[in-house]
Amino acid sequence: ELKVEQNPLFLSMQEGKNYTIYCNYSTTSDRLYWYRQDPGKSLESLFVLLSNGAVKQEGRLMASLDTKARLSTLHITAAVHDLSATYFCAVCRIQTNAGKSTFGDGTTLTVKP
Amino acid sequence: DTGVSQNPRHKITKRGQNVTFRCDPISEHNRLYWYRQTLGQGPEFLTYFQNEAQLEKSRLLSDRFSAERPKGSFSTLEIQRTEQGDSAMYLCASSLTAPHEQYFGPGTRLTVT
Repeated sequence: ELKVEQNPLFLSMQEGKNYTIYCNYSTTSDRLYWYRQDPGKSLESLFVLLSNGAVKQEGRLMASLDTKARLSTLHITAAVHDLSATYFCAVCRIQTNAGKSTFGDGTTLTVKP
Repeated sequence: DTGVSQNPRHKITKRGQNVTFRCDPISEHNRLYWYRQTLGQGPEFLTYFQNEAQLEKSRLLSDRFSAERPKGSFSTLEIQRTEQGDSAMYLCASSLTAPHEQYFGPGTRLTVT
């Protein structure tokens, strides 16, 4: 059974600081997604990572994938209040799981001034 | 708006009542997924359709739950004899067979009193 673990589950940061969220998964997978969710809202896709060593950046967020370690990271640079949200990673196995995603429990980020 | 839409956005019902939710996917997407998200957790897969065929159902989907996608377009999720434990956000997502990236709708929040 595919399992996805995120840590930390809760993160409180000062504005301007850097931090990393970790996502570990239990079995080989084809792609990894990062999503953002604001309270009461649906999921907003941030990144899709397809291969070992993949790195993608958008603004203050950078995601990377190490398939050998079964680890993805979401790095936050110089955090701002607008980044406060819950971040989910999700893993997908195309051949065996037909594209359905298995999600971690999320990291709730609070950025304080 | 060409995104995934869901109706209703909120539903409050009494225990024992039946409820039905609707999802309209992105028009050219042949895959449609249903997920359930409870507070503080990531979305959990319920079921998915390839066109009108329901190809997989999670063990989470008890026999009180039924989903249809009659013409391979919109889908409905019905819960019969609702229980308080059914209170959750029900998310719909759609994708193409390839490249598989799922686009999520705004969700239907169900509260069972």
